Amino acid sequence: DIQMTQSPSSLSASVGDRVTITCRASQSISSYLNWYQQKPGKAPKLLIYAASSLQSGVPSRFSGSGSGTDFTLTISSLQPEDFATYYCQQSYSTPVTFGPGTKVDIK
Amino acid sequence: EVQLVESGGGLVQPGRSLRLSCTASGFTFGDYAMSWVRQAPGKGLEWVGFIRSKAYGGTTEYAASVKGRFTISRDDSKSIAYLQMNSLKTEDTAVYYCTRGIDYGDSVNWFDPWGQGTLVTVSS
Repeated sequence: DIQMTQSPSSLSASVGDRVTITCRASQSISSYLNWYQQKPGKAPKLLIYAASSLQSGVPSRFSGSGSGTDFTLTISSLQPEDFATYYCQQSYSTPVTFGPGTKVDIK
Repeated sequence: EVQLVESGGGLVQPGRSLRLSCTASGFTFGDYAMSWVRQAPGKGLEWVGFIRSKAYGGTTEYAASVKGRFTISRDDSKSIAYLQMNSLKTEDTAVYYCTRGIDYGDSVNWFDPWGQGTLVTVSS
């Protein structure tokens, strides 16, 4: 099985900050990497698919990059509605696996 | 509007069974794989399994933690996916989400959208 790790596990940031979250796969997954945002009590929402493609309707301050084993999600200017938990997920092979999540909260 | 609505959750005793339903609307249900993902209280996301579209054989894949106990099925005529959960354990307690995926190769691509989730509590 492909293991996914994320760093940091949590971070505190201010509105307007640039935020970067890292996701690492235990083996190469090409660009089969997706990012989700989840707010408390809500279902996850797809932000980025195939490592760098922005899902329709998602603000352009979100971006993704990487390939192989190392990936990043960047929020260029953090907004109040971006405080949430972010998960990466590999779709390279079954079983599908998610990272443990990165919680972004207010500094 | 593409929408997924789960139902069937509730309180169940260990060892018993429960069936969840996921009713879809706003898209051609039969063209997509359907997956279940769960989230235990205060924990992260755990993939449970998926069922491929008929075009990809309609076959299923499961996480090791549920294989042999859970079964995913689909009724394309009704646009409903099911999760049959047998021999439930306390560690199966979670919110269960239904989500849509696109078949490819041996796996399923990204999950979008997601239903609102249904809570399953396994307790005596």
